[in-house]
Amino acid sequence: AQTVTQSQPEMSVQEAETVTLSCTYDTSESDYYLFWYKQPPSRQMILVIRQEAYKQQNATENRFSVNFQKAAKSFSLKISDSQLGDAAMYFCAYRSAVKLVFGAGTILRVKS
Amino acid sequence: DGGITQSPKYLFRKEGQNVTLSCEQNLNHDAMYWYRQDPGQGLRLIYYSQIVNDFQKGDIAEGYSVSREKKESFPLTVTSAQKNPTAFYLCASSIELWASLGYDEQYFGPGTRLTVT
Repeated sequence: AQTVTQSQPEMSVQEAETVTLSCTYDTSESDYYLFWYKQPPSRQMILVIRQEAYKQQNATENRFSVNFQKAAKSFSLKISDSQLGDAAMYFCAYRSAVKLVFGAGTILRVKS
Repeated sequence: DGGITQSPKYLFRKEGQNVTLSCEQNLNHDAMYWYRQDPGQGLRLIYYSQIVNDFQKGDIAEGYSVSREKKESFPLTVTSAQKNPTAFYLCASSIELWASLGYDEQYFGPGTRLTVT
């Protein structure tokens, strides 16, 4: 079964600085999708970024980018120029057949 | 505006009572999902439905039941058999279950916080 591990329960970053959230996963499949979701205090899940495993190029969405290392099964999220609105729980997820498998989440705190 | 609605936002029940959580979407999505979120854990899949009148158990279906009589609606019933029902419940939908490239995003509702005492 696929598993997703987020080893950092909590991270802090100073406003305008850069932070990287870690995620590793375990799978025997060769083709899959990976996601980062953001859950702010409102608890609404918001898709931040998506990566297709067959693409070597790392996905980028404005201030958010990923470092996808397929051989190492690693999928980290980098947030540049951190803003107060980035404070949230961040979940890494792996798309396995019909469902998403989520990691336990990382709480990101942004200091002003 | 298209989206997913879940009601109510907060729900309180006495132990031993069944309770039904509502999920409605107007995105014209075929696939719908129910997740449970507990502190310190990621989302876990309870049930999912590919199409009307069809649904499948997820990883933690015991003590739950669902129905899919309409494309727009996927209510979840938490039965008295669920041993630890207090949790945050999220409903989601996607265009199709066996999603092709670019159509795999799941859209989430705002969630329902269920407290059973």
